[in-house]
Amino acid sequence: QVQLLQSGAAVKKPGASVRLACQASAYNFATYKIQWVRQAPGESLEWMGWVNPANGDTHISQKFHDRVTLITDTSANTAYMELSSLRSEDTALYFCARGRGVAAGLFDHWGQGSLVTVSS
Amino acid sequence: DIQMTQSPSSLSASVGDKVTITCQASQDISNDLNWYQQKPGKAPKLLIYGAFSLEVGAPSRFRGSGSGTDFTLTISSLQPEDFARYYCQQYGNVPYTFGQGTKVEIK
Repeated sequence: QVQLLQSGAAVKKPGASVRLACQASAYNFATYKIQWVRQAPGESLEWMGWVNPANGDTHISQKFHDRVTLITDTSANTAYMELSSLRSEDTALYFCARGRGVAAGLFDHWGQGSLVTVSS
Repeated sequence: DIQMTQSPSSLSASVGDKVTITCQASQDISNDLNWYQQKPGKAPKLLIYGAFSLEVGAPSRFRGSGSGTDFTLTISSLQPEDFARYYCQQYGNVPYTFGQGTKVEIK
């Protein structure tokens, strides 16, 4: 069955960067965009952006456009999200999800999440 | 950005009850609306897409309705496994945005 397996938890200091991985299996990786969503403790879900594994195109939320990089490695069926200039407010559970349908806006399969803690 | 407002923020209900959650968009999003269920420490799970289409594998007791700016998720007969938080999400415009969530608790 379709699975998205995310990298483990990370603890970073303010100002550092973090790179998260999302490995897909059991479907054609190039066929669906990968979406990134985060959830701060006790908060709702926040969309960050998507990457198209077929051609590397990305669309990143304006909120994160200067700090987020989205790439894919199609040989490894893996998407990566790098978030730079970390601050305490970036402490959150980061999810990747497969985007399906119109505008890839249906997030039909999700990774288990990667917890990022930003603390001095 | 399109703001999504859910109500109520939380509710208490008993097994077998009918439950209704509403979601209002700050502008017309046609039918570009999904509903997700999330349990503590887990990823969200897609229940309803396109405002009213039931995702494969989602129980038929979940029903979505509405269009434009006003949407509803109805659980016809609440089951023990339905106690969770529910989110609406619009995909009519980027940035995609989510409601603040509705927590369904056991009465």
